[in-house]
Amino acid sequence: NAGVMQNPRHLVRRRGQEARLRCSPMKGHSHVYWYRQLPEEGLKFMVYLQKENIIDESGMPKERFSAEFPKEGPSILRIQQVVRGDSAAYFCASSPVEGANSPLHFGNGTRLTVT
Amino acid sequence: RKEVEQDPGPFNVPEGATVAFNCTYSNSASQSFFWYRQDCRKEPKLLMSVYSSGNEDGRFTAQLNRASQYISLLIRDSKLSDSATYLCAVDTGRRALTFGSGTRLQVQP
Repeated sequence: NAGVMQNPRHLVRRRGQEARLRCSPMKGHSHVYWYRQLPEEGLKFMVYLQKENIIDESGMPKERFSAEFPKEGPSILRIQQVVRGDSAAYFCASSPVEGANSPLHFGNGTRLTVT
Repeated sequence: RKEVEQDPGPFNVPEGATVAFNCTYSNSASQSFFWYRQDCRKEPKLLMSVYSSGNEDGRFTAQLNRASQYISLLIRDSKLSDSATYLCAVDTGRRALTFGSGTRLQVQP
């Protein structure tokens, strides 16, 4: 039973380019969460999605960032016109039930470097 | 005040020592609490859930103090392999868990 799968593991983008991060939840999990971790900092919640729905995007920057979880395929976190401050580890997590009452299972993350 | 706070450490302890970390939370209505372990440049991994009555898993004991709004993690007989960052996670009334910034533990030979 595969865990949460994220790709790519490492992504290098120049300033102004777009970054696309992908996440496939664990089998049977329909709740996906994206977190960002800046160097030497904790995990910051970005967005919570279910299939075809954004449930909570209160942690997402208002501009340049978007997320989706289509009916078929992985969840995508998209960052347009990247800046150096976007360099971070982006972790995706999934759970089988809604909300903050169940533990999250994390993927191994995508490390984004903006040059 | 931050929703979830942890002492960043580092805690440097010798092998075999007992070490405890606390994590304070601000929302008195919080119901779910977890401890995660994160190794350098890796993903966080669930260590244990924290139950109201306290719970133990081998050398690890987790406790909840609702009156003072904190959870604790106690590690007995520390091993070199316990060196990592320990993150607490709390439901703070949002739809997703809120994480502390982590406490770094370094166990020395």
